[in-house]
Amino acid sequence: AQSVTQLGSHVSVSEGALVLLRCNYSSSVPPYLFWYVQYPNQGLQLLLKYTTGATLVKGINGFEAEFKKSETSFHLTKPSAHMSDAAEYFCAVRGPTGGFKTIFGAGTRLFVKA
Amino acid sequence: GAGVSQSPSNKVTEKGKDVELRCDPISGHTALYWYRQSLGQGLEFLIYFQGNSAPDKSGLPSDRFSAERTGGSVSTLTIQRTQQEDSAVYLCASSLDGADNQPQHFGDGTRLSIL
Repeated sequence: AQSVTQLGSHVSVSEGALVLLRCNYSSSVPPYLFWYVQYPNQGLQLLLKYTTGATLVKGINGFEAEFKKSETSFHLTKPSAHMSDAAEYFCAVRGPTGGFKTIFGAGTRLFVKA
Repeated sequence: GAGVSQSPSNKVTEKGKDVELRCDPISGHTALYWYRQSLGQGLEFLIYFQGNSAPDKSGLPSDRFSAERTGGSVSTLTIQRTQQEDSAVYLCASSLDGADNQPQHFGDGTRLSIL
């Protein structure tokens, strides 16, 4: 069965510092991978996704993620954190062996210090 | 608007009462999902609708939970005889056709509080 592990339930960075949020998945076949962001009292919003092709994926708000099959990872990065990046981030995996279900990680809350 | 709409945004009710939560997906999206998000937790899958196919209810936690989708559009999640452990944010999402590579578009959720 597919699963997603997000290392660190909380990450704190200073404004302007590198953001690195870790995500590892388990799947016998490379799945489709997604990062979503959730701001307080809102639903989840897609940041970026990897389906096929280029393994470095660029998303909105300056975020990017790299699919590394050998490491079964899909870590999310941003070179310079902004206060507005403070939110909860969810990594998710789907298919091709998991059926229709999207499996979400437990989430990582990002704090940005001034 | 063009996004997924959920109502009510907040619901407070007494233990034992029934509640209905509504989801209006993006027009043209055939796939619809319900999730539950408890405090500090990830998303727990509840139910999935795809077109006219029978819904997959494998995530519903008990027979007190049910959902329907009328006319392939609006969906209602019903919780009967609510319990305090039902308190959570209930999120609805839709996607274009349910394909694996399609992202889900989420509503802002209904925050349910059981007293």
